Amino acid sequence: GDSVTQMEGPVTLSEEAFLTINCTYTATGYPSLFWYVQYPGEGLQLLLKATKADDKGSNKGFEATYRKETTSFHLEKGSVQVSDSAVYFCALSLYNFNKFYFGSGTKLNVKP
Amino acid sequence: NAGVTQTPKFRVLKTGQSMTLLCAQDMNHEYMYWYRQDPGMGLRLIHYSVGEGTTAKGEVPDGYNVSRLKKQNFLLGLESAAPSQTSVYFCASSHRTGTTDTQYFGPGTRLTVL
Repeated sequence: GDSVTQMEGPVTLSEEAFLTINCTYTATGYPSLFWYVQYPGEGLQLLLKATKADDKGSNKGFEATYRKETTSFHLEKGSVQVSDSAVYFCALSLYNFNKFYFGSGTKLNVKP
Repeated sequence: NAGVTQTPKFRVLKTGQSMTLLCAQDMNHEYMYWYRQDPGMGLRLIHYSVGEGTTAKGEVPDGYNVSRLKKQNFLLGLESAAPSQTSVYFCASSHRTGTTDTQYFGPGTRLTVL
């Protein structure tokens, strides 16, 4: 079935470190891929998305490239800040009722 | 625009009690969704709606009912609450387009069932 697998956390980094959160997917069709971020006590917010193979989504210094050959959508940021501390969810969406499949979430802790 | 709002923000129930969670969106979205979020499990889809007057089951529908009488509102009901329904509930909405589209989330309702 359709699913998303992302690396388990928590991930703890020092400020200005490089971030990678791995995400791979399984899908029967051609999904759109998303990264959402959840700050403490809040709902999920869209961080970035890509709708077709080789697309790169980017926002707030975060990037992810839709890799069809490896079925991956890894999230990267060159220099994290304390304010990036949050839970990050990878998700895919298929045309069928725009149904979303979410990964289990990766908690990121950034220390000053 | 308020976006997606949820009522209430917090609730404590005793086993067997009933309650209704209200979700409202002002973006004229056709699709609406209810998820539950549990530690280590991400978000799981409970029910969804593709339009006014229509609902469908998601991944974990048992113990819940929903209604979409108005396009802007999507209600989630628990008829007889159980401790296993202790969770954080999120409502989301999206447009119906030719391709997939972003889902917009409400702030969540934290429900505890004793």
